[in-house]
Amino acid sequence: QVQLVESGGGVVQPGRSLRLSCAASGFSFSSHGMHWVRQAPGKGLDWVAVVWYDGGNKFYADSVKGRFSISRDNSKNTMYLQMDSLRAEDTAVYFCARDYGQGAGYFDYWGQGTLVTVSS
Amino acid sequence: DIQMTQSPSSLSASVGDRVTITCRASQPVSSWLAWYQQKPEQAPKFLMYTTSTFQSGVPSRFSASRSGTDFTLTISSLQPEDFATYYCQQYNTFPFTFGPGTKVDIK
Repeated sequence: QVQLVESGGGVVQPGRSLRLSCAASGFSFSSHGMHWVRQAPGKGLDWVAVVWYDGGNKFYADSVKGRFSISRDNSKNTMYLQMDSLRAEDTAVYFCARDYGQGAGYFDYWGQGTLVTVSS
Repeated sequence: DIQMTQSPSSLSASVGDRVTITCRASQPVSSWLAWYQQKPEQAPKFLMYTTSTFQSGVPSRFSASRSGTDFTLTISSLQPEDFATYYCQQYNTFPFTFGPGTKVDIK
């Protein structure tokens, strides 16, 4: 069965960096786009970034553009989110989500999320 | 960016009630809209895409429709497992955007 497991969350000071990972199993990882979606405590869902199935295209939300970088390693069935210059408003649970296709734009499987807290 | 709004923001209903949630896009998104269900402390669950194509396993009491930039999700007879927050999401244009959610709780 499809499994997505996020890791790398934690408490970090403003301005510092953090790298999240999403380990995938149970499907052909290299055939699907992959996304990061976040949810601030008590708030709604906020799309962060997508990487195409082959890593060839990447798109970001305006709020993270220039600070976050999405990538993937299809040989390791893993996706990453490098988060630099973190701000308090980046505090959220970060979910990785599988794209329905190579870059369809909607998310058919989600991980359980990893909490990132940006605080001094 | 395309702004998504949902109404109501919350509603209280009883088991067996018919429930309708509305999602509106600030610009045309064609039929490129998905719906998700999220229960407390859980990851969202994918319900449907392209306005009204349901994911395998979603009960038939769920239905959806579109009129221009207005989209509706209807639950014909609310069941205990349907109490949750529902989000719409447009994937017509980057950045993808979600509605703020509609919380369905027990009356």
